[in-house]
Amino acid sequence: DSGVTQTPKHLITATGQRVTLRCSPRSGDLSVYWYQQSLDQGLQFLIQYYNGEERAKGNILERFSAQQFPDLHSELNLSSLELGDSALYFCASSSTATNEKLFFGSGTQLSVL
Amino acid sequence: EDQVTQSPEALRLQEGESSSLNCSYTVSGLRGLFWYRQDPGKGPEFLFTLYSAGEEKEKERLKATLTKKESFLHITAPKPEDSATYLCAVQARGSQGNLIFGKGTKLSVKP
Repeated sequence: DSGVTQTPKHLITATGQRVTLRCSPRSGDLSVYWYQQSLDQGLQFLIQYYNGEERAKGNILERFSAQQFPDLHSELNLSSLELGDSALYFCASSSTATNEKLFFGSGTQLSVL
Repeated sequence: EDQVTQSPEALRLQEGESSSLNCSYTVSGLRGLFWYRQDPGKGPEFLFTLYSAGEEKEKERLKATLTKKESFLHITAPKPEDSATYLCAVQARGSQGNLIFGKGTKLSVKP
């Protein structure tokens, strides 16, 4: 168990809808990362937050947004969903802003029908 | 553009049959190279970090090595429980903690 909690484990929704994925980092970790994993693209970095502030951005679509709350949990919001957004979404945490040793959650499997 | 390529995509071994996985990378200044293990239905699990060419790290039956252009993950006398997807990732100098991952090598070890 990595100590990173993601909910829900599975999410099935329709095109055009909006969903929210939730992540609780390991106790004491200030940095949260969101990654998308698909069969053809592998693990793709989306966005990083450190102690409530956005720290780095990857290839995150404008339809996607995220935030980190004062209690350090994070949410990833996906809107106007398309079939191609179906993927496994992982949250990871680390103790500092640049610590490369990431602890990953078990992911949220999103299926857009 | 920073890039990581792993080969082979899949590897089947008999228990006890040693082999190596390859990770080739192109990055604008390497801060670190990382190996992760991912089991089905789970998130990646950290294995090693390598920082400079010539560095080696070992953990049980796994040994990771690094050159200026690639890294190898050597698996000695593997067991069925070593079956997993092994992911390589790089972190560019000047970047934050975000990593660039390869697509992985799926290893199957048969008893």
